[in-house]
Amino acid sequence: NAGVTQTPKFRVLKTGQSMTLLCAQDMNHEYMYWYRQDPGMGLRLIHYSVGEGTTAKGEVPDGYNVSRLKKQNFLLGLESAAPSQTSVYFCASSYEDTIYFGEGSWLTVV
Amino acid sequence: RKEVEQDPGPFNVPEGATVAFNCTYSNSASQSFFWYRQDCRKEPKLLMSVYSSGNEDGRFTAQLNRASQYISLLIRDSKLSDSATYLCVVNPSGGKIIFGKGTRLHILP
Repeated sequence: NAGVTQTPKFRVLKTGQSMTLLCAQDMNHEYMYWYRQDPGMGLRLIHYSVGEGTTAKGEVPDGYNVSRLKKQNFLLGLESAAPSQTSVYFCASSYEDTIYFGEGSWLTVV
Repeated sequence: RKEVEQDPGPFNVPEGATVAFNCTYSNSASQSFFWYRQDCRKEPKLLMSVYSSGNEDGRFTAQLNRASQYISLLIRDSKLSDSATYLCVVNPSGGKIIFGKGTRLHILP
């Protein structure tokens, strides 16, 4: 009973490196989201997708890119990581307004 | 006015007490409302949906006031295990679900 799975769970990057966070859901949900959560800032929406092949910007999209080539996967890319992108990243999918989260990916940029 | 606003707390409440907190939203066209619970270093999880007529789930009661654009969560007979951050969630439709920053609740023994 996987639900929403994120990989990797932990990663340390050097400034300027690139990486991709992978989110996979096995619930056949149309909508998927990437959030970041920082102390005192709450969950902030980075990008979201309302279906395969579509993406849209959220509240804090700068420095990130996304792709939704397959319905079950939503990838979040950091092209040139910056210390300000140190955060916990949560992927989520939703069906009929109920949103299901992955367990989070802890990213540190040094 | 921010899209979704919550008092960050913390609310420090003795075990067994009743505690309530509100969440205000700015988009009067919002359709769906929820409360999520988040434990430290864990992902948010759905606590309950909020219906127009109000709804109850055990010790938890959620209410919606469309005229004043706020939702509320009431916890009765609070338990130590209720200590968490409670997130207000508003779906104005169109796929962009909005989270409040959360209210921290500490239940004191």
